Amino acid sequence: QKEVEQNSGPLSVPEGAIASLNCTYSDRGSQSFFWYRQYSGKSPELIMSIYSNGDKEDGRFTAQLNKASQYVSLLIRDSQPSDSATYLCAVYGSNSGYALNFGKGTSLLVTP
Amino acid sequence: DVKVTQSSRYLVKRTGEKVFLECVQDMDHENMFWYRQDPGLGLRLIYFSYDVKMKEKGDIPEGYSVSREKKERFSLILESASTNQTSMYLCASTPGQIQETQYFGPGTRLLVL
Repeated sequence: QKEVEQNSGPLSVPEGAIASLNCTYSDRGSQSFFWYRQYSGKSPELIMSIYSNGDKEDGRFTAQLNKASQYVSLLIRDSQPSDSATYLCAVYGSNSGYALNFGKGTSLLVTP
Repeated sequence: DVKVTQSSRYLVKRTGEKVFLECVQDMDHENMFWYRQDPGLGLRLIYFSYDVKMKEKGDIPEGYSVSREKKERFSLILESASTNQTSMYLCASTPGQIQETQYFGPGTRLLVL
């Protein structure tokens, strides 16, 4: 019903590598998908939104959506230590109205 | 840029006290939300409001109430604070259409002793 699943991590990648963060959702009717970044002790900040199947690129970030597989991912190219944070996947369900369903987040650690 | 502000970054209260957390947004957004965030539990929706004087319960409304007397301001009230309400509280807002991006305030870390 309100399931947005993420691997909690931590996901550790070396500096300069590609970090791949994954999210699955249970509501097949979901239409809007978001990735937020949250540094420790701070509030979530929007990185990307995606609404259509396929890839959407913004700088070093690429969001990928596959509605048939109910899967959304975030790729971070050329990972930097400053990318170390928790990444939250958020989905509007088909009947959730104004309420955004959040996953519990994946912790990413980029090591120098 | 959307700006969502919260009245306090850190707050320490005693058990049984009445606690007010205030949130203000400056972008004329229709919808405002209150969440709490706890380790391992993620973000949980407490209440939201889609218009002045309108409110809807979220997933965990027990022990909380809200007030929205003006469009830009949404208050969360802990009628009688308890230790299990120690948490990070986050306010967010979105424009009028559904399925819009939520913009978050900086958060209030509340400690109830």
